[in-house]
Amino acid sequence: DAGVIQSPRHEVTEMGQEVTLRCKPISGHNSLFWYRQTMMRGLELLIYFNNNVPIDDSGMPEDRFSAKMPNASFSTLKIQPSEPRDSAVYFCASSNSDRGTGYTFGSGTRLTVV
Amino acid sequence: QKEVEQDPGPLSVPEGAIVSLNCTYSNSAFQYFMWYRQYSRKGPELLMYTYSSGNKEDGRFTAQVDKSSKYISLFIRDSQPSDSATYLCALYTGGFKTIFGAGTRLFVKA
Repeated sequence: DAGVIQSPRHEVTEMGQEVTLRCKPISGHNSLFWYRQTMMRGLELLIYFNNNVPIDDSGMPEDRFSAKMPNASFSTLKIQPSEPRDSAVYFCASSNSDRGTGYTFGSGTRLTVV
Repeated sequence: QKEVEQDPGPLSVPEGAIVSLNCTYSNSAFQYFMWYRQYSRKGPELLMYTYSSGNKEDGRFTAQVDKSSKYISLFIRDSQPSDSATYLCALYTGGFKTIFGAGTRLFVKA
C-alpha cells in the first residue's frame, strides 16, 4: 500500500494566484480529512469527507478555500485567490475508522505564497 | 482556554533517558486519546491510542490517561536518537472530529 499520496510536495506561488492541492487516500478508507499545519496554530482541521460527501467544513477559513471529492480515490483543496497568510503545510489524511482512532496522513504539501 | 494544552518544548535528553510527554485537556467528553509522532517534513503517524484511564504499553512506549485530572502522558523508555521528532497528543470527541495538541519537539542526543 502506497499510503496517502499528496501532490505537489512543494508549491510556491504569487499572491492572487489559484492553488490546487491533490490527495489520493488509501484504497478502502471511507473518511478523508484536510488539515493545515503552522507553527502558530498547529494542526487545524479544514474539512472532513465521509463516503465522498463533505460532512464538516466549519474549519475552512474563508470562501477562498474550497474542497471537492469527486470519487473515493481523489480529493482536491483549492485556494483562490491565494494570500501570503495561506502559507503553511497542508496535510490530507484518510481513515476507515468511525471512532477517530487513527488517521493515516500523507507527507503534506508545503505551500508558500509570496 | 484551548481544548488541549501541550508544551511545545523543545525537550532535549541524552540517549537512554526516560522521556515524559504530557497534555492536559478541558473537555470531559473526549473519548479516545492518541499519540502521533511526526518526523521533520513528514506527516504525523499514529503511535498509540487508548480509550480508558490507565496505562497502555507498546514496546518502549507507554501511554497513560487520567480522566479525573484530564491529563494524558506518553513515556518513552531507553530513548534513542531515532526517537527525535515532534510528538502530538490527539483527542477524539466523537462526530469524527479529532483535536490535536500543538506538539512537543523532542531531541535525543547520542
